[in-house]
Amino acid sequence: GAVVSQHPSWVICKSGTSVKIECRSLDFQATTMFWYRQFPKQSLMLMATSNEGSKATYEQGVEKDKFLINHASLTLSTLTVTSAHPEDSSFYICSARGWESSYEQYFGPGTRLTVT
Amino acid sequence: DQQVKQNSPSLSVQEGRISILNCDYTNSMFDYFLWYKKYPAEGPTFLISISSIKDKNEDGRFTVFLNKSAKHLSLHIVPSQPGDSAVYFCAASAHHSGNQFYFGTGTSLTVIP
Repeated sequence: GAVVSQHPSWVICKSGTSVKIECRSLDFQATTMFWYRQFPKQSLMLMATSNEGSKATYEQGVEKDKFLINHASLTLSTLTVTSAHPEDSSFYICSARGWESSYEQYFGPGTRLTVT
Repeated sequence: DQQVKQNSPSLSVQEGRISILNCDYTNSMFDYFLWYKKYPAEGPTFLISISSIKDKNEDGRFTVFLNKSAKHLSLHIVPSQPGDSAVYFCAASAHHSGNQFYFGTGTSLTVIP
């Protein structure tokens, strides 16, 4: 089946630094990738949608200059949290969708970010 | 504004019995619905889906029911097994909105052996 990986799985960084999270589709070409954020005991909140080769579309309330998304190839999307603050600490999950399905999304295992 | 709601944050069921997880939505444009299962510190895994042209979809022990007039869907797990213990999210999507999914807040299911 379709596999999506994320790296790193867990990262701790100091306040003010930037962190990059990678999302890869391992066995299919992902035309669209989604980035979600989940706070404890809350729903997955869609942050942005990115299509390969074009700029990401951000959801309302998500700062695009703070959460930089790049979808440079059909198998890789990156999320960079710039100038991280403790309130950015969260669980970030990506998902990917291929050519075959207009609905099915395959999720990565998530990245736990802790900003100290 | 939460467009997809799961009003029961937790549910406990005896092994072998039926688990019923409920989900309500507000957007009548939603035409595709999915259930995901999630373990702690892991990404969600797809469980079962249903499109708005159907009112029931069955896959093994899992059945999803859709009531469009009530804007309600439910997931039935029969028989429940301890390995089913996880957080279950329902998600909804509208074709015209680029198929972005909106998730409920999840229901934590505990199946008691």
